[in-house]
Amino acid sequence: EVQLLESGGGLVQPGGSLRLSCAASGLTFRNYAMSWVRQAPGKGLEWVSSISGSAANIYYADSVKGRFTISRDNSKNTLYLEMNSLRPEDTAVYYCGKEPRQSSGWYSDYWGQGTLVTVSS
Amino acid sequence: DIQMTQSPSSLSASVGDRVTITCRASQGINNYLAWYQQKPGKVPKLLIYAASTLQSGVPSRFSGSGSGTDFTLTISSLQPEDVATYYCQKYNSAPLTFGGGTKVEIK
Repeated sequence: EVQLLESGGGLVQPGGSLRLSCAASGLTFRNYAMSWVRQAPGKGLEWVSSISGSAANIYYADSVKGRFTISRDNSKNTLYLEMNSLRPEDTAVYYCGKEPRQSSGWYSDYWGQGTLVTVSS
Repeated sequence: DIQMTQSPSSLSASVGDRVTITCRASQGINNYLAWYQQKPGKVPKLLIYAASTLQSGVPSRFSGSGSGTDFTLTISSLQPEDVATYYCQKYNSAPLTFGGGTKVEIK
């Protein structure tokens, strides 16, 4: 059974940084692209970033480009999201998702439980 | 970038009703469209991909159709457990934009 477990969320001041992790199990991690999707309180889903299984192909939403960095460690079955220059509008639950193929840029067929990031002074 | 517009934003229907949700892309995306269900307080769940392919384990009362710019999610007979917000997502190319969501309630 595929399981995704996010961690690293919390309260951070505007301009601060945070690193999210997503530990994957129940799959051959390197064979699948992964994504981050966020949801602000009471709002809809917003795709943030995707990374291919080999990390060769990476995509970002314009809203986070230049501030967020997606990466993965296939030896640790873990996906990361490094978030810098955080803004109040980045406040959201961040979900990691598994894509169905090694190449990135697909839908997510499995989702983690999410981790809450709050950007506030 | 391609925009995804869902309609209606909310609806209320009776148990057993046929419910239809529409998702429109501002440009053609072939059939690179997925639908998700998010129940209150829960994680999104994949229902349909490739516009019309039902994800394993999803009840057959859910169906999807469309290609190009216009897509539809249909619930053939609404059940109480279908109360949720439904989202479409395009994945023909980045950005992998979601629609704004459709909240489905029981009348």
